[in-house]
Amino acid sequence: GENVEQHPSTLSVQEGDSAVIKCTYSDSASNYFPWYKQELGKGPQLIIDIRSNVGEKKDQRIAVTLNKTAKHFSLHITETQPEDSAVYFCAARPNRDDKIIFGKGTRLHILP
Amino acid sequence: GAVVSQHPSWVICKSGTSVKIECRSLDFQATTMFWYRQFPKQSLMLMATSNEGSKATYEQGVEKDKFLINHASLTLSTLTVTSAHPEDSSFYICSARTFSYNEQFFGPGTRLTVL
Repeated sequence: GENVEQHPSTLSVQEGDSAVIKCTYSDSASNYFPWYKQELGKGPQLIIDIRSNVGEKKDQRIAVTLNKTAKHFSLHITETQPEDSAVYFCAARPNRDDKIIFGKGTRLHILP
Repeated sequence: GAVVSQHPSWVICKSGTSVKIECRSLDFQATTMFWYRQFPKQSLMLMATSNEGSKATYEQGVEKDKFLINHASLTLSTLTVTSAHPEDSSFYICSARTFSYNEQFFGPGTRLTVL
């Protein structure tokens, strides 16, 4: 089955700098890669996703890149702000009906 | 975007009692709903998947007689923790997906504390 590895587990970034979180997946059949942000005591919120027919996707300060050959995908947050502090989860799903497999999460701290 | 609600947001109960958690999709019909469990500082662990009108499919190691799931309509799924014990204390999160969407939307979670 699918396995998703996520790094780093903790990341501290100065406010205004960029943050990058990286994930790898094992199942070459995976074709959908969402990213979730979870604030303390709340459920995960979908922030961006990418499908396997696309190499990069941007939404304002957030971007995701996908390298299918290497089975890598990454989340990039530019011009970080205090409200970006949260736990971020990457995930992968082999096809529409399969369950989403989550990475272990990255705790992002934005330093003032 | 699609909204998923959960009720209650937190519950405290005595050991041995049963607790029911409701999950509702507010503005879309959820053909599939998922129930997750999350311990502090850990990732989400899928407990079961349910399709409307069908029996839930439980993940390995999850006791189906202890965690009863009902997905009776396209907008409502319930999780009942039967004979709860302190080790069942956790953050329970539901998620919903509709057939026409690829995305999976999460509820705000329910904090269960068993004394």
